[in-house]
Amino acid sequence: ELKVEQNPLFLSMQEGKNYTIYCNYSTTSDRLYWYRQDPGKSLESLFVLLSNGAVKQEGRLMASLDTKARLSTLHITAAVHDLSATYFCAVLSNFGNEKLTFGTGTRLTIIP
Amino acid sequence: DAGVIQSPRHEVTEMGQEVTLRCKPISGHDYLFWYRQTMMRGLELLIYFNNNVPIDDSGMPEDRFSAKMPNASFSTLKIQPSEPRDSAVYFCASSFFFLMSQGAGTEAFFGQGTRLTVV
Repeated sequence: ELKVEQNPLFLSMQEGKNYTIYCNYSTTSDRLYWYRQDPGKSLESLFVLLSNGAVKQEGRLMASLDTKARLSTLHITAAVHDLSATYFCAVLSNFGNEKLTFGTGTRLTIIP
Repeated sequence: DAGVIQSPRHEVTEMGQEVTLRCKPISGHDYLFWYRQTMMRGLELLIYFNNNVPIDDSGMPEDRFSAKMPNASFSTLKIQPSEPRDSAVYFCASSFFFLMSQGAGTEAFFGQGTRLTVV
């Protein structure tokens, strides 16, 4: 069974600082996704990473994928308050199905 | 496109009653997923369909849960009878399979969810 772990689970950071969220998964995959969820809202797709070494950037967020290490990172640069949300990584196994397995989520709070 | 549309947005029902949740996927998407989100268990995949056919229902918790997709533009998730432990937010998502130079994959788009409370 595919397992997806994120850390940290909770993160408070000051505005202007940099930080990284980590996503580890347990089986072979080169298909990984990052989502954002605001309280009481739906999930919004942020990044789709489809190969080893893939790097995507949007504004202050940058995601990368290392399939050999089974690790993805979401890096936040110079955090601002509107990045406060819960961030999920999700992984699709390489073994012939489209069953997207989500991590536990990282609740990010940006403090002024 | 209006995105994935779910109804109702909120549902409060008494234990033992039947509950039906509805989903309209994005036009042209060939995958549809039902997820359940709770504080204790996070996001769990209940079932998914490809071209209206159920592919994997191993996440459906019990026989009280059933899902159908009679056509490409509509799906239902039914709970009968409902129990308090079914209280959760239920999300529907749809996606399309695509090929890119970097590889093949899907990107799932989520509806706004249905918040179910069983009392």
